[in-house]
Amino acid sequence: GAVVSQHPSRVICKSGTSVKIECRSLDFQATTMFWYRQFPKQSLMLMATSNEGSKATYEQGVEKDKFLINHASLTLSTLTVTSAHPEDSSFYICSAHYGTPNYGYTFGSGTRLTVV
Amino acid sequence: TQLLEQSPQFLSIQEGENLTVYCNSSSVFSSLQWYRQEPGEGPVLLVTVVTGGEVKKLKRLTFQFGDARKDSSLHITAAQPGDTGLYLCAGNAGNMLTFGGGTRLMVKP
Repeated sequence: GAVVSQHPSRVICKSGTSVKIECRSLDFQATTMFWYRQFPKQSLMLMATSNEGSKATYEQGVEKDKFLINHASLTLSTLTVTSAHPEDSSFYICSAHYGTPNYGYTFGSGTRLTVV
Repeated sequence: TQLLEQSPQFLSIQEGENLTVYCNSSSVFSSLQWYRQEPGEGPVLLVTVVTGGEVKKLKRLTFQFGDARKDSSLHITAAQPGDTGLYLCAGNAGNMLTFGGGTRLMVKP
């Protein structure tokens, strides 16, 4: 089946530094990928929609200059958390759909970001 | 903004009991999906329902899509400790998923 590989699975960084998270579709091409954020014991909140070859679409309240998204190829999207602060600590998850959107969304395994 | 209300938020039951999780919205979705998520992992797709009134079964799990495609339910028969986890419904509209708040299920042996 369609697999999305997300790296790293865990990262700890110091306040003020930047962290890049990668999301790769392994056996299919993903023109669109989605980035979610999940706080403990809460559901997934969509941050942005990543479009190959064009600018990402950000949800209301998500700072595009802080959460940089690059979707340079049909198999790779990256999310960079710039100038990270402790409040950015969260579980970040990417996903992509394969086939028709009605039938398939596959998710990465998530990245646990801790900013100290 | 399309909202999905999922209930209950938490459910703690004994092994062998039955349970139902509900997902309701005032919006119509082209499809609705149910996921299960383990701690520290991404959600894993359980089922997709597309047609109003559709019922799908996955072993002890029964999923139903409302006739108007605005609501869905997940029924688990004879729950087992291995069913413990976070269950998420997600509605698909406009090539985007909207997630419900999740139901955290704990099945005690």
